[in-house]
Amino acid sequence: AQSVTQPDIHITVSEGASLELRCNYSYGATPYLFWYVQSPGQGLQLLLKYFSGDTLVQGIKGFEAEFKRSQSSFNLRKPSVHWSDAAEYFCAVGGAGKSTFGDGTTLTVKP
Amino acid sequence: DGGITQSPKYLFRKEGQNVTLSCEQNLNHDAMYWYRQDPGQGLRLIYYSQIVNDFQKGDIAEGYSVSREKKESFPLTVTSAQKNPTAFYLCASGTGYGYTFGSGTRLTVV
Repeated sequence: AQSVTQPDIHITVSEGASLELRCNYSYGATPYLFWYVQSPGQGLQLLLKYFSGDTLVQGIKGFEAEFKRSQSSFNLRKPSVHWSDAAEYFCAVGGAGKSTFGDGTTLTVKP
Repeated sequence: DGGITQSPKYLFRKEGQNVTLSCEQNLNHDAMYWYRQDPGQGLRLIYYSQIVNDFQKGDIAEGYSVSREKKESFPLTVTSAQKNPTAFYLCASGTGYGYTFGSGTRLTVV
């Protein structure tokens, strides 16, 4: 069965600092991996996705993620965080069937 | 623009009432999903449908019902059997290659 673990429930960073959100997955074959972002009271928006090829993928809003098969990880990064990045972030693994989501990481941005 | 529309945005239910949440998509997706979101608990799958006239229970289907009579529509009914229905409900469509989400319905029991 596929599963996703986001080890950090809550992360606080200062505005302008770099960010890395962790995601570990379990999947029997080559995974399709996703990061979604959710602002308070809103639905989820797709930030980026990895299917195959280059293991460093670029997404919207200046985010990127790196797929590391040996570590079963798909960590999300941003070089410089903006106050508007404060939100909840979900990692997900999919494929032929439905996706499985992690429990989310809440990002707080300090001024 | 293609997308998913959930209505209403806010819904209030009295004890013992059934209420229905609407979800409509114009993305031509075969599969649609309903999730419940509570603080600190991530997304929990209620029901999903991969084709018209067929649907499967997710992890927390008790107290909920769905129908899928049209490809575009996947309404969720929260029945009186659901003892703790206050939550944020999200509808999505897509496949394992990525989902599109609606903006959610917040249901409160009064």
